[in-house]
Amino acid sequence: QVQLVQSGAEVKKPGASVRVSCKASGYTFTRFSMNWVRQAPGQRLEWLGWIDSGNGDIKYSQKFQGRLTITSDASANTVSMELSSLRSEDTAVYYCARDGLDSSGYYAHFDYWGQGTLVTVSS
Amino acid sequence: QSVLTQPPSASGTPGQTVAISCSGSSSNLGTNFVYWFQQLPGTTPKLLIYRNNRRPSGVPDRFSASTSGTSASLAISGLRSEDEAVFYCATWDDSLNAWVFGGGTMLTV
Repeated sequence: QVQLVQSGAEVKKPGASVRVSCKASGYTFTRFSMNWVRQAPGQRLEWLGWIDSGNGDIKYSQKFQGRLTITSDASANTVSMELSSLRSEDTAVYYCARDGLDSSGYYAHFDYWGQGTLVTVSS
Repeated sequence: QSVLTQPPSASGTPGQTVAISCSGSSSNLGTNFVYWFQQLPGTTPKLLIYRNNRRPSGVPDRFSASTSGTSASLAISGLRSEDEAVFYCATWDDSLNAWVFGGGTMLTV
């Protein structure tokens, strides 16, 4: 079965960078894209960006352009995101979420989610 | 300012049908498919509806959705206590070039 397992919680100081990884299993890694979504305490879900694990295409939300780097390592079935110049407002649970396909070939975006990684930014 | 607007709360009694609305604009719901997610307390979001009205395998047909213009609606029939969760709508926004989510609706049964 499809599983997305993320790295553990992080505590960072303002101005630092954080890297969160997402290891996929149960499907052909290069056939599906992966999104990163975050949820600050009591806030709505927020999309950060997306990577095509097959051809390496990347799209970032304009809000995070310049601060966010998403990478994919097919040899390890792992997608990672690195967010730099952290500020307190970046405190949130970060999720990876796969873009799936249904049996008819239609996209079912965000069909599987990782367990979430809490990133706390505090001085 | 919210791109997708949902009511903050909704409620119903067991067995009832409840509807949750999601209002957008021509650059998002007016053009692109709506997705719905259920987030049970303390858990990760779960895909409930994709491509406006399709259910992933395992999602009961008590959950259905529809769209009209720049709005969408999720209906839950035969309400059960275990349906208590926060429900989010989402879609692609052509102006922002990003996925956008509603603020979430807390359903109380």
